[in-house]
Formats: sequence, structure tokens, C-alpha cells
Amino acid sequence: EAQVTQNPRYLITVTGKKLTVTCSQNMNHEYMSWYRQDPGLGLRQIYYSMNVEVTDKGDVPEGYKVSRKEKRNFPLILESPSPNQTSLYFCASSLRQGLDGYTFGSGTRLTVV
Amino acid sequence: AQRVTQPEKLLSVFKGAPVELKCNYSYSGSPELFWYVQYSRQRLQLLLRHISRESIKGFTADLNKGETSFHLKKPFAQEEDSAMYYCALSGNTGAGSYQLTFGKGTKLSVIP
Repeated sequence: EAQVTQNPRYLITVTGKKLTVTCSQNMNHEYMSWYRQDPGLGLRQIYYSMNVEVTDKGDVPEGYKVSRKEKRNFPLILESPSPNQTSLYFCASSLRQGLDGYTFGSGTRLTVV
Repeated sequence: AQRVTQPEKLLSVFKGAPVELKCNYSYSGSPELFWYVQYSRQRLQLLLRHISRESIKGFTADLNKGETSFHLKKPFAQEEDSAMYYCALSGNTGAGSYQLTFGKGTKLSVIP
């Protein structure tokens, strides 16, 4: 089944403890992206990647890192999480950037205390 | 900069009534526009894209470049249409890449 898989689905952590949210797609998509979803703010793009080793900042990149060492994986790294990063995070991928719709993962609900 | 505006946070309609979810955009070039739907506690799903001019689940959307709008319409609302709807624009950043920007979403509630 073609899909985008995120892990974990739920995560509670403490301020300052590094964490990684994994994202993997099995559709050979070139384009991958991370979004955070907050009430009243909709979805805001954190980082995106056009292909292996090519990443760029979205609208809200502060406090986040990403890497794209393989085509299928696009992990989101929070080096020192803070409470304002408590949110619902979605990974998404697309075959051709800009032209095709995205396939989204199920989401990761992160709480930083 | 590209921007998507969905002026209504919440839209309530009765079952069987027509639905129109508004979306306006700001973009200097020729946009690629999409509608996504998110049912309660589920992932976002692509509903339709303007380039394919398709109708999904009875929904249609027409791009009006003069009014810079891409409103989503359905003639007769069903209870299962209750969900969060997001309009999105894919635009060229000018550096050879595209960015997909979402509106803040409209929650559609269909009253039985």
C-alpha cells in the first residue's frame, strides 16, 4: 500500500531533550515536507526537500532540523524542544513538486512540558 | 509572497443545502491550486486539484483568475461532508522549487 509513515504517533517529552520524528514513504516520491498544525493557524510548512541532500526552509523553521540522506526518509529533529513546539506534525510527500497533490502521514502529536 | 485566505473559520449548513467554501489567493504567477479535506482525527487527504477539473464526492472548484478565487462547491450537502477543509496553493519560489501554502481552513458542519 502506498503510504507515508510517521513515528511515533504520540510523544510527550521534557524541555531540552532532543527528539526525532521519523517519516518514510514507499512511493519513490522526490518531494517531501514537514508541516505543523495548530488551532487557528492551519498548516505551516517547517522544511521541505526537493530530493536527496536538498533541503530548504519553509515558513517556520526555527528550532527544527531535517536531513534527506535517502529518498524514502525525511526525519524531523528537535535539538532542544520547547513548549511552543507542542503541536500536531504532519509529514507529506509528492511525486513532482508543485504539480501533484501531497500524500500525508497520520500525524505525530507532540507535547513538550 | 504567496498567500491563501479562507475567510470563514466555521460554516454550518443543513443537510441537502448547497455548500460553498471560499478560498482567495495571492500569487504573482500562474498558480496550482488544491483542496484538501481532514475528517475528524484523520490525516489530510487530497480532495481535488484545479488542473484536473475533476469532481470528487460531488465537490467541484473553479479557478477564477480575475477574482483570484478557487471556491469549493457542492449542490447538496451530506452529513458525511462534515470535516475541515483546506485550500492550498503551490507556487514557484523563484529558486527552482515549489512551496505548498495552506489557508487556515474552514470547518464545515452539516446539520441533519
